[in-house]
Amino acid sequence: KQEVTQIPAALSVPEGENLVLNCSFTDSAIYNLQWFRQDPGKGLTSLLLIQSSQREQTSGRLNASLDKSSGRSTLYIAASQPGDSATYLCAALARDYKLSFGAGTTVTVRA
Amino acid sequence: EAQVTQNPRYLITVTGKKLTVTCSQNMNHEYMSWYRQDPGLGLRQIYYSMNVEVTDKGDVPEGYKVSRKEKRNFPLILESPSPNQTSLYFCASSLSYGLGYTFGSGTRLTVV
Repeated sequence: KQEVTQIPAALSVPEGENLVLNCSFTDSAIYNLQWFRQDPGKGLTSLLLIQSSQREQTSGRLNASLDKSSGRSTLYIAASQPGDSATYLCAALARDYKLSFGAGTTVTVRA
Repeated sequence: EAQVTQNPRYLITVTGKKLTVTCSQNMNHEYMSWYRQDPGLGLRQIYYSMNVEVTDKGDVPEGYKVSRKEKRNFPLILESPSPNQTSLYFCASSLSYGLGYTFGSGTRLTVV
């Protein structure tokens, strides 16, 4: 059974600092890995999707890397802003059609 | 606007009273699924559907039923809700397996 872990569980940084969020998964036979953002009481917003054949994806200030062999993905957010405060979730899609989520990293960016 | 719509957003019900949470998507997506989110446990998959009339169990299917009679709709049915089904529920869809997911805004269910 796929286990997805996100460390740290919470992170507080001053505005302008770069954020590094970690995601690890136990079964490297994934189809893809997706990063989401969740605001309090809201749904999930898709940020980046990395297919298993890719090493990274970029969108604006966001960059996500994927290392299947070590079972790791990292989300980088450059020059953080207070509006980046949210919970960030990673999810690994396995070849048995099941999507497994990490518990999330709650980010607070202080103005 | 492309979206996944869940109804209701909030629901308080009593133990044993059958309820249905609706989910509808307007993107012609083939793949749809249901999740529940609980503090400390994260998001867990309840059921998923690869296409019309094709459904399968996720990690926590006990106490839930689903149906997929039309491509756009994927209702979640709780035949006899219990307090341990109090949770935040999300419906999601994807154009096909392996592509990105779009999530609904969630349904907060309380069973007393």
